[in-house]
Formats: sequence, structure tokens, C-alpha cells
Amino acid sequence: EAQVTQNPRYLITVTGKKLTVTCSQNMNHEYMSWYRQDPGLGLRQIYYSMNVEVTDKGDVPEGYKVSRKEKRNFPLILESPSPNQTSLYFCASSWTVTDTQYFGPGTRLTVL
Amino acid sequence: SQQGEEDPQALSIQEGENATMNCSYKTSINNLQWYRQNSGRGLVHLILIRSNEREKHSGRLRVTLDTSKKSSSLLITASRAADTASYFCATDNFNKFYFGSGTKLNVKP
Repeated sequence: EAQVTQNPRYLITVTGKKLTVTCSQNMNHEYMSWYRQDPGLGLRQIYYSMNVEVTDKGDVPEGYKVSRKEKRNFPLILESPSPNQTSLYFCASSWTVTDTQYFGPGTRLTVL
Repeated sequence: SQQGEEDPQALSIQEGENATMNCSYKTSINNLQWYRQNSGRGLVHLILIRSNEREKHSGRLRVTLDTSKKSSSLLITASRAADTASYFCATDNFNKFYFGSGTKLNVKP
């Protein structure tokens, strides 16, 4: 089954404790993205990757890191989480930026 | 800043009625897409309209695009309670992807 998976689905952590949210897709897509969703703000792109080893900043990259060592995986790293990063995070993939994006189920992160 | 804005922010209708949502965007686009999200879950793609198209249909969905006004509309005909969800327009510009703030649709049975 074609899908995007994210782990964990729920995470409660404390300020400053490094964490990684994993994202994996099995559709051989080139383009992958991370978004955060906050009430009233819709989804905002954090980082995107056009292909392996090619990543770039989206609209709200501060406080986040990503890597794309393999085509299927695109982890999101918060090196020193802060409470303002409490949000619902989505990973997505597509053939190119102009194509349909397929979304993961989301990761609800709370930073205390 | 957000590329797309949706209007209205919330819409409540009776089952069987039509629902219309509007989206405005700020820069030139390649395509405009509409997505649906059931409460707190992942987004699901509904329809894509290319910048050289003016109208597109898919089942009960009708999308229009006016590039001169930088706006699009999504019409859901004969709505059902199961259409209750949030609807987002999305555009791409210089490799980045932008979503609007969404319209929350409530269809009452």
C-alpha cells in the first residue's frame, strides 16, 4: 500500500531535550516536505527536499533541522525544542512540487 | 507569509445544499490544489487545476481558477454529512508549497 508513515504519532517532551520525528514514504517520490499546523494558521512549510542530499528552508525553518540521506526517509530534528514548537506536524511526499502531495497521519508534539 | 487565504473561515449548511469556498493567492502559480482534512488527521488530495485551466470537475466537486484575479473556488454539490471537514487550497511557487488557512465546513444531517 502506498503510504507516508510518521513516528511517533504523539510525543510529550521537555524544553531542550533533542528529538527526532521520522518520516518514510514507499512511493519513490522525489519531493518531500515537513509542515506544522497551528490553529488559525493553516499548514506552514518548515523544510522541503527536492531529492536526496538536497534540502532547503520553507517558511518557518527556525529551530528545525532535516536530512535526506535516502530517497524514502526525511527525518525532522528538533535539537533544542521550545514550547512554541508545540504543534501538529505533517510529513508529505510527491513526485515534484507541482504534483499531488501525499500526507502522513501527523505527529502531535507537546513541549513543556 | 501565507500564499493563500480562504473565505469563509467557517460554513454551516444543511445536507443536500451546495457549499462554495473561495481561495485567493498572491503570486504566480503552476497549479492550484484543494485538500480536505478530517479533524486533526492527515490531508487528502481532492483536485488539482493547472494554471492554464479555468474549470475542472471531479464527481460532486467543481473547481474554478481565475489567474487574473488570483483566485479559485471549490463547489461541493449536494453535500452530505460525511463532507464535514476542513478544506484547504494550496499553491506552489519556486519549489515551496503554500496552504491557505482553510474553510471549516459543517454539514448538518
